[in-house]
Amino acid sequence: GAVVSQHPSRVICKSGTSVKIECRSLDFQATTMFWYRQFPKKSLMLMATSNEGSKATYEQGVEKDKFLINHASLTLSTLTVTSAHPEDSSFYICSAGRTSGTQETQYFGPGTRLLVL
Amino acid sequence: GESVGLHLPTLSVQEGDNSIINCAYSNSASDYFIWYKQESGKGPQFIIDIRSNMDKRQGQRVTVLLNKTVKHLSLQIAATQPGDSAVYFCAENTGGFKTIFGAGTRLFVKA
Repeated sequence: GAVVSQHPSRVICKSGTSVKIECRSLDFQATTMFWYRQFPKKSLMLMATSNEGSKATYEQGVEKDKFLINHASLTLSTLTVTSAHPEDSSFYICSAGRTSGTQETQYFGPGTRLLVL
Repeated sequence: GESVGLHLPTLSVQEGDNSIINCAYSNSASDYFIWYKQESGKGPQFIIDIRSNMDKRQGQRVTVLLNKTVKHLSLQIAATQPGDSAVYFCAENTGGFKTIFGAGTRLFVKA
């Protein structure tokens, strides 16, 4: 099956620094990737849609200058949390969409746990 | 606003019993629904999906039922095993790949 990876799997950073998280589709090309955020014991909240070669589409309430998304190739999307603060600590999950004929399937990465001190 | 939610936040079942996890959705225009399983510290794992032109779909030990009249979705797991312990999310596909998740139900399987 299709595989999506994320790097790093966990990261600890100091408040005020920026952190980049990578999402890769390993065996398929994805024109569309998604970034989710998940707090403990909560559901996944869609943050933005990452479109290859164009600007990301952000959900309401998500600061685009805070969460920078770049989808420069068909297999890689990056999420950069700029000037991170403790409230940005969360589990970040990406997904990649794969189309096979008329079937559209979304594959999720293993997640990145961010802790901001 | 439009949302996908769950009736029960936790469900505890005996190993070997059947499990039923319920979900309500509010967007009548949604035409594709998915159930995901998420284990602690991992990303969601696809279990089964169903389109709105169907009311039932079966997989291996799992069945999804869709009742469009009352906007209700359920996941049935047969002969529940300890490895089924996880959080289960129903999700609504609102067009293309964009997926909105419900609140989640934690399933505990007692040995």
